[in-house]
Amino acid sequence: AQTVTQSQPEMSVQEAETVTLSCTYDTSENNYYLFWYKQPPSRQMILVIRQEAYKQQNATENRFSVNFQKAAKSFSLKISDSQLGDTAMYFCALPRSGNQFYFGTGTSLTVIP
Amino acid sequence: DAGVIQSPRHEVTEMGQEVTLRCKPISGHDYLFWYRQTMMRGLELLIYFNNNVPIDDSGMPEDRFSAKMPNASFSTLKIQPSEPRDSAVYFCASSPLRTPEPDTQYFGPGTRLTVL
Repeated sequence: AQTVTQSQPEMSVQEAETVTLSCTYDTSENNYYLFWYKQPPSRQMILVIRQEAYKQQNATENRFSVNFQKAAKSFSLKISDSQLGDTAMYFCALPRSGNQFYFGTGTSLTVIP
Repeated sequence: DAGVIQSPRHEVTEMGQEVTLRCKPISGHDYLFWYRQTMMRGLELLIYFNNNVPIDDSGMPEDRFSAKMPNASFSTLKIQPSEPRDSAVYFCASSPLRTPEPDTQYFGPGTRLTVL
């Protein structure tokens, strides 16, 4: 079975500081992709970053980076220099068949001014 | 491209009424997904289409829910009759075909449905 677990329902961080959101997953696939999506108060789901499992290099998108530990099946998201606009729900996602995704339950991040 | 378009953005209706949610996917995308999001159950996949054909509707809660995709640029999700427990945010998402690599899903802004 494939599952995605986010064990931190809520987190907060001071503006300009760094925060790491955790995600663990389980899959029997050898090659796969992992995603982080952001859902701000506007409710729209926005892609943050994507990681290909066969690539050893961690993906980076500006202030967002991942720490991908394939053996441990861990896929954490690091946000550097946190900004007020980063306040949102963050979802970890693992694709399954037919372009479907398994989504985690989300982590609510609040950036404190 | 304008992205995935959903309408209406907000819908308030009374129990027993029919509700129709609409979605226009990104042009050229082969997959279309309907999700429901609630506090209790999180983000649930209801149904998805590939090239206008429903592939998996196992997430549709019950027969009151139906979805169609008459062409590549339009899909509807209908609830008839609606019930208060259907209150949720409904998202439509689309993605291009890239076999065997799954691609990013592009979400619409969502429709917030309230059934009184």
